Amino acid sequence: AQSVTQLGSHVSVSEGALVLLRCNYSSSVPPYLFWYVQYPNQGLQLLLKYTTGATLVKGINGFEAEFKKSETSFHLTKPSAHMSDAAEYFCAVSGGLTGGGNKLTFGTGTQLKVEL
Amino acid sequence: KAGVTQTPRYLIKTRGQQVTLSCSPISGHRSVSWYQQTPGQGLQFLFEYFSETQRNKGNFPGRFSGRQFSNSRSEMNVSTLELGDSALYLCASSPARDSWEFFGPGTRLTVL
Repeated sequence: AQSVTQLGSHVSVSEGALVLLRCNYSSSVPPYLFWYVQYPNQGLQLLLKYTTGATLVKGINGFEAEFKKSETSFHLTKPSAHMSDAAEYFCAVSGGLTGGGNKLTFGTGTQLKVEL
Repeated sequence: KAGVTQTPRYLIKTRGQQVTLSCSPISGHRSVSWYQQTPGQGLQFLFEYFSETQRNKGNFPGRFSGRQFSNSRSEMNVSTLELGDSALYLCASSPARDSWEFFGPGTRLTVL
């Protein structure tokens, strides 16, 4: 069984400030971890993913996340927020072939607001 | 490469009716999954199909069903619609079962 907890349903940052969105997961098998972004009235866009290998993963639009097994975390960061980053962000976990195929279990989402 | 396409994009139905939603995956992708997104329950997994076989199913009543065709296109059907079925239904495709998913724009279903 897998689950995801996203701390903070709403996060507000100033433009140019660090973005930190928190995600903790629980998985009975080695996890595949993802961050997706959703803009209003749109589907989900993959920001970045961790499957195996390097634990620091870089994604699109300057985002990155680090897989920390000991902390069961996969926090999303961006050094400098831009107005266009305002959106809802979802952390998700799947188990690959050993744990349910592509079935994604999502967190409840974090709405990011970027202020001038 | 064209992305995941879903039709229709918007749909309005009344209680008791049934509805069929369609999803065309990215060319070459063999896995298609469906998700329901609502403000109250968030994003919930419905089912996953791979090579025309349902490989995984979420905790939804039997009114929700799906299928996948030999060209990997998929449909999902909801019978006897209830008000609570109003949601954004998202389709995602993937090249394999241990990969990552690419999402379509969704079908917004409103049940009156």
